Amino acid sequence: DTEVTQTPKHLVMGMTNKKSLKCEQHMGHRAMYWYKQKAKKPPELMFVYSYEKLSINESVPSRFSPECPNSSLLNLHLHALQPEDSALYLCASSQVPKLNTEAFFGQGTRLTVV
Amino acid sequence: DAKTTQPTSMDCAEGRAANLPCNHSTISGNEYVYWYRQIHSQGPQYIIHGLKNNETNEMASLIITEDRKSSTLILPHATLRDTAVYYCIVRAPPDSWGKLQFGAGTQVVVTP
Repeated sequence: DTEVTQTPKHLVMGMTNKKSLKCEQHMGHRAMYWYKQKAKKPPELMFVYSYEKLSINESVPSRFSPECPNSSLLNLHLHALQPEDSALYLCASSQVPKLNTEAFFGQGTRLTVV
Repeated sequence: DAKTTQPTSMDCAEGRAANLPCNHSTISGNEYVYWYRQIHSQGPQYIIHGLKNNETNEMASLIITEDRKSSTLILPHATLRDTAVYYCIVRAPPDSWGKLQFGAGTQVVVTP
């Protein structure tokens, strides 16, 4: 199984809502990532978890709150978002700490903030 | 992290080889070159990676110059399904937990 599963595929939320994005992998990977991708732009790294601990936060606003409850699951909690936060949110996973290992990406959650 | 430079776009005829160049003149000795692609509205897909030697797998070949300042991804027989944005990435050292930083990429359009 080389799949990273993201749910939901699409999400529309109001600026006062609280929602969560979910990412799951069963490849035994111990590094998991959140990326944000705006239209016609490359993915931008948001967070990196390694062994269920947050290792990198790329200066992401606090309205985005990541959580890694176990080695297979990664969540992104959303609260008080702005319309400019509308984007494709991608989850990825990879082995740690090897250098020459690839990352596997999910299909993303298309988020629209209204 | 070493930066990469790629052409903005390329066209390729179906059935022909597609050669995608990438410049990474500031690459460090322990940094690998990775290629990913992203088909419209899907997550990025790993293609291939290499350090010094040329590499080949079922999807593509990667040719890295001897000085490692540039590389070429070769799709040997392009199909319409190869239409995608192709990203050349130089991977950060291990102590950065291997994070991938994407550049602008090359939009490849394969035409019949």
